[in-house]
Amino acid sequence: AQSVAQPEDQVNVAEGNPLTVKCTYSVSGNPYLFWYVQYPNRGLQFLLKYITGDNLVKGSYGFEAEFNKSQTSFHLKKPSALVSDSALYFCAVRDPGEYGGATNKLIFGTGTLLAVQP
Amino acid sequence: NAGVTQTPKFQVLKTGQSMTLQCAQDMNHEYMSWYRQDPGMGLRLIHYSVGAGITDQGEVPNGYNVSRSTTEDFPLRLLSAAPSQTSVYFCASRPGQGVSPLHFGNGTRLTVT
Repeated sequence: AQSVAQPEDQVNVAEGNPLTVKCTYSVSGNPYLFWYVQYPNRGLQFLLKYITGDNLVKGSYGFEAEFNKSQTSFHLKKPSALVSDSALYFCAVRDPGEYGGATNKLIFGTGTLLAVQP
Repeated sequence: NAGVTQTPKFQVLKTGQSMTLQCAQDMNHEYMSWYRQDPGMGLRLIHYSVGAGITDQGEVPNGYNVSRSTTEDFPLRLLSAAPSQTSVYFCASRPGQGVSPLHFGNGTRLTVT
């Protein structure tokens, strides 16, 4: 069965420093991977996705993520953190399915709280 | 466009009561889904639908019913509320084809006492 792991409940970083939020996945084939962000009392907002192609994916608000097939990881990164980046971040995977066509279930990790200190 | 609209924003129920959480989208999305968010557990898929008249179970379907009579609406019914159903519920939709991201509503915070 497909699954996603976010090993850190919280990541603390100083403003201006680079940040990394970790994600590993488990699926039967080539995964479709997503990052979402959630601000307080709001729904999730899409940041970026990896489907195929270049392993480095660029997304909204200066975020990027690196797909690593050998390590089954999809870590979220940003070169210079802002206080306004403080939020809850979710990694998600969509199983490619038995015959290579994507299934309809998007499975989320448990979330990582990013705290950026001024 | 309003996107995905969920009502109500907050609800308090007593054990055994029933209610329906409403979800509507105005983007003509074929796929709609319901998640619940609990601390330390992330988002878990309850039910989903790939089009009008078609629904299927997610990870945690017990205690919940859904129906999809129109493309726009995907209500979630709690037939007999239990304290374990205290959670924040999110509705999300996306186009049916391809690998488009989900669009989320702002959630319904439900407390069952």
